[in-house]
Amino acid sequence: NAGVTQTPKFQVLKTGQSMTLQCAQDMNHNSMYWYRQDPGMGLRLIYYSASEGTTDKGEVPNGYNVSRLNKREFSLRLESAAPSQTSVYFCASSSCPGPTTSPLHFGNGTRLTVT
Amino acid sequence: TQLLEQSPQFLSIQEGENLTVYCNSSSVFSSLQWYRQEPGEGPVLLVTVVTGGEVKKLKRLTFQFGDARKDSSLHITAAQPGDTGLYLCAGTFRETSGSRLTFGEGTQLTVNP
Repeated sequence: NAGVTQTPKFQVLKTGQSMTLQCAQDMNHNSMYWYRQDPGMGLRLIYYSASEGTTDKGEVPNGYNVSRLNKREFSLRLESAAPSQTSVYFCASSSCPGPTTSPLHFGNGTRLTVT
Repeated sequence: TQLLEQSPQFLSIQEGENLTVYCNSSSVFSSLQWYRQEPGEGPVLLVTVVTGGEVKKLKRLTFQFGDARKDSSLHITAAQPGDTGLYLCAGTFRETSGSRLTFGEGTQLTVNP
């Protein structure tokens, strides 16, 4: 069972370069999410997609764009990378965006360094 | 903006000791989840609590949800080195969309053999 798969696992960019982080889930989940994790700041929501065809901003969306390509895939794009975007990025999915019990299933992260 | 506060931020104990980790908010949770994250991996769900006063047990882990649904605790009995990891609480709030799960900063637990 693959679950949530993220690529690449590691990436080094120079300031101003662009890149796309890929995420795919095989659990037939409706909702998908992008978080970043920084020391001392926990996980912060960048963007989410409650269902195929919809995307919404999270807590820290500036500098990022997303595409919900289909039900399985949700990509995160950095158009012009900045050192402040150095972080570990996690993609997650859940069966529904309900307010209570739907757990998140996470990928293993992409470690991005911007120099 | 709803904030979650976890304490302590770091905890280093010896194998066999007991410990408690706390998660607090000034707002009422709709629900609260606890996750554990190991190095190089994503967080994995341990438990979800919904009802005020709820207590759930997972082997040596006991989770409590406060009566007022503003706080939660995770108690580990007789900790083992395999319990080492980052413990995260995450909550949803009545005031915001259910899609916006807010995470605490985490408690980094190290259990020494």
